[in-house]
Amino acid sequence: QSALTQPPSASASLGDSVTFSCTGTSNDINIYNYVSWYQKHAGKAPQLLIYEVNRRPSGVPDRFFGFKSGNVASLTVSGLQAEDEATYYCSTYAGSDNYVLFGGGTRLTVL
Amino acid sequence: QITLKESGPNLVRPTETLTLTCTFSGFSLSATGVGVGWIRQPPGKALEWLALIFWDDDKRYSSSMKTNFTIAGDPFKSRVALTMTNVDPIDTGTYYCGHALYSRGYYQFDSWGQGTLVTVSS
Repeated sequence: QSALTQPPSASASLGDSVTFSCTGTSNDINIYNYVSWYQKHAGKAPQLLIYEVNRRPSGVPDRFFGFKSGNVASLTVSGLQAEDEATYYCSTYAGSDNYVLFGGGTRLTVL
Repeated sequence: QITLKESGPNLVRPTETLTLTCTFSGFSLSATGVGVGWIRQPPGKALEWLALIFWDDDKRYSSSMKTNFTIAGDPFKSRVALTMTNVDPIDTGTYYCGHALYSRGYYQFDSWGQGTLVTVSS
């Protein structure tokens, strides 16, 4: 089973920027531009932040920026606000047997 | 406005069959490019994708789940059901359904239900 690897935790100060990484393999992130990022607050439903590596749904501020290089996708959040404290999950297509694959999530603490 | 809501039993016993229902509004499951999926989150763990049904009744399932899942859609009643047979305590978690939006070859979940907590225990 393929997997997307995310650091379990991150922290940054109010107003600063933070970048989350999502490491896949040569069979997923590296060859498909189908990376999505979701924000999940405890007890709430996930929210789509980024899709197709770097596209933002309507209503998502441009403080959220996605990109990828090789088999690593990244999400940068700039101008951190207290409400950004949440867990961030990456997701991608990894072939017909893994149509949707989620990473383990990175929990962000805003200091 | 798209809304989704999950419903089903909160407690089931091991080996039983569990059926969850996702009732939605604001879109049609028959419309080209639409999908509805199920995702769960075990307590303290990450999101896990389970199944996805598309507008043309095509279906995809996670190959890594041990429990048997079946997804079925009823576009006339705006519902999608997820049936799990022979459930195990590892199936405990919050179950979400999501609207899958098609864009340039793939789908992503752009709207989610509030989730429903299912506990598998004897």
